[in-house]
Amino acid sequence: QLQLQESGPGLVKPSETLSLTCTVSGGSISSSSYYWGWIRQPPGKGLEWIGSIYYSGSTYYNPSLKSRVTISVDTSKNQFSLKLSSVTAADTAVYYCARITIFGGGHYGMDVWGQGTTVTVSS
Amino acid sequence: DIQMTQSPSSLSASVGDRVTITCRASQGISNYLAWFQQKPGKAPKSLIYAASSLQSGVPSKFSGSGSGTDFTLTISSLQPEDFATYYCQQYNSYPHTFGQGTRLEIK
Repeated sequence: QLQLQESGPGLVKPSETLSLTCTVSGGSISSSSYYWGWIRQPPGKGLEWIGSIYYSGSTYYNPSLKSRVTISVDTSKNQFSLKLSSVTAADTAVYYCARITIFGGGHYGMDVWGQGTTVTVSS
Repeated sequence: DIQMTQSPSSLSASVGDRVTITCRASQGISNYLAWFQQKPGKAPKSLIYAASSLQSGVPSKFSGSGSGTDFTLTISSLQPEDFATYYCQQYNSYPHTFGQGTRLEIK
């Protein structure tokens, strides 16, 4: 059974870079049937799509974050990562990683999620 | 960006009821729409993709419909475990935006 697990610092100082890793177990990140994505949720608020990556390295970012975000994949470790630079308090959120299954006709399903990790931006 | 607007923002219902949540896109998205359920402190769970296709393992009490700009999620015969927050998400174009959520509460 595929599982995703986020890891990284729970506290980041303002202006620094937030770095998180999602480890995929029970399946291969190199499958052509999936994308891999990051989503966040500020305290008490809704979901925000951050971006996604294909195993080949193709990336898609939310334009609202594009200048600060980098998503990368390490197929040798079966992991993908998120870096968000120049963070502020507004970046405080629960960060989720997810598998995005590619169905026919251009349809996707964000069908497996990590448990989420809380990141607080504070000095 | 495509804006997704859900209504209502919150909804009270009783066990056994049938409820419908609406999601409207700011421009046409064909049927490139997904629905998620989220319980407090938990990750979202995928319910539906392609506006009306159930994810594997999701009970048939959940159904989705719509195309273009207007979509609905219907939950029949509400059970205690169905009380949660529901989100729609469009994936017609990047960024893949979510609705603001609909909180379904027990009456």
